[in-house]
Amino acid sequence: RKEVEQDPGPFNVPEGATVAFNCTYSNSASQSFFWYRQDCRKEPKLLMSVYSSGNEDGRFTAQLNRASQYISLLIRDSKLSDSATYLCVVLRGGSARQLTFGSGTQLTVLP
Amino acid sequence: DAGVIQSPRHEVTEMGQEVTLRCKPISGHDYLFWYRQTMMRGLELLIYFNNNVPIDDSGMPEDRFSAKMPNASFSTLKIQPSEPRDSAVYFCASSFPGTGVYTEAFFGQGTRLTVV
Repeated sequence: RKEVEQDPGPFNVPEGATVAFNCTYSNSASQSFFWYRQDCRKEPKLLMSVYSSGNEDGRFTAQLNRASQYISLLIRDSKLSDSATYLCVVLRGGSARQLTFGSGTQLTVLP
Repeated sequence: DAGVIQSPRHEVTEMGQEVTLRCKPISGHDYLFWYRQTMMRGLELLIYFNNNVPIDDSGMPEDRFSAKMPNASFSTLKIQPSEPRDSAVYFCASSFPGTGVYTEAFFGQGTRLTVV
């Protein structure tokens, strides 16, 4: 079983739609959680951190359920520019600084 | 700051040849990571350094792969001999956690390696 698993996608949604991505992680000692965004043929970039109480950044909402080891990302009012691959990322606990990436979910927002 | 700088951006080489990928982390960052990305396996951590010291190389696929960080501003990932299955995009990333648990990892633009 992969340490971080995501919806395989791809998701093709019309502009203005709401779309949700899910992610599960297997290591209960995981410490921190993030969503990264990767545009086609570009490097990954941090989209947002995920806090235990849930957090929002404009049209993006991230939630964490430690008991279920589940992370989600909700995008409201999707824009064409949201088209990208979204990577669920987990930081191992302890002294490690390793980020473990999910395989990513591809999103295409259609006009 | 120019960000994490990787070179070359593209590399095409013949099977059996030695390949060296280079990375310059962001100045002041004390963690450096090497990742490999393929369609089949996604982004995989190969090795990471803290203050120029390799901390975990368990992701290095085999002895053909080696990485060094001779100083705080330079790291190399070497493949010798290269094989077609090494074809992938190789990313270098750096971060500076400081006293916090985590800070953002900044990625270079990657090196697209093709071994024919």
